[in-house]
Amino acid sequence: DTAVSQTPKYLVTQMGNDKSIKCEQNLGHDTMYWYKQDSKKFLKIMFSYNNKELIINETVPNRFSPKSPDKAHLNLHINSLELGDSAVYFCASSQDHGVGQPQHFGDGTRLSIL
Amino acid sequence: QKEVEQDPGPLSVPEGAIVSLNCTYSNSAFQYFMWYRQYSRKGPELLMYTYSSGNKEDGRFTAQVDKSSKYISLFIRDSQPSDSATYLCAGWDTGFQKLVFGTGTRLLVSP
Repeated sequence: DTAVSQTPKYLVTQMGNDKSIKCEQNLGHDTMYWYKQDSKKFLKIMFSYNNKELIINETVPNRFSPKSPDKAHLNLHINSLELGDSAVYFCASSQDHGVGQPQHFGDGTRLSIL
Repeated sequence: QKEVEQDPGPLSVPEGAIVSLNCTYSNSAFQYFMWYRQYSRKGPELLMYTYSSGNKEDGRFTAQVDKSSKYISLFIRDSQPSDSATYLCAGWDTGFQKLVFGTGTRLLVSP
């Protein structure tokens, strides 16, 4: 049983297209996150949601829009994809948004923009 | 300058060696510290989680935090080829309520 699962694992698309990545966690956690990992392995937070409400928006362009239909799901929609969006996107979850809660990660979605 | 700095490596050691992985951080708001292991094409996996200065041991792994010098270490005893991965340290920023990662150190353990 995968605790945090993301789909698709790989996404190859043209510049200018719109795409979505889905994330689901079966840990019963209240808080979910999206991270971006660049080619140098630097992992940086983009968004966090606690019980479907946005907590953190880390100055991410408006082309990125997260949506949380329920606390077990956090999807990421990206409009007008650019070359610089090529990266690995990780979803994560934690028990809640309390101080220093350990986060559990999915295996990532590898996005390549042609 | 990044808030959490790690030597990217790779760090190459023979099987059975004791490995020392290190991180420094600059933000005094960091209060909790974590070590994650990331295998190629996989997500980060939580290894160790510490709050206070001092040592925390879990099997072959020991995490050490020195808040006075803003220095974090992970020691791996009796290293195995299966330990070959990238190790990411992270600090919880209590000001901005987010986890801040280093860029990771790649470890290679040869049989």
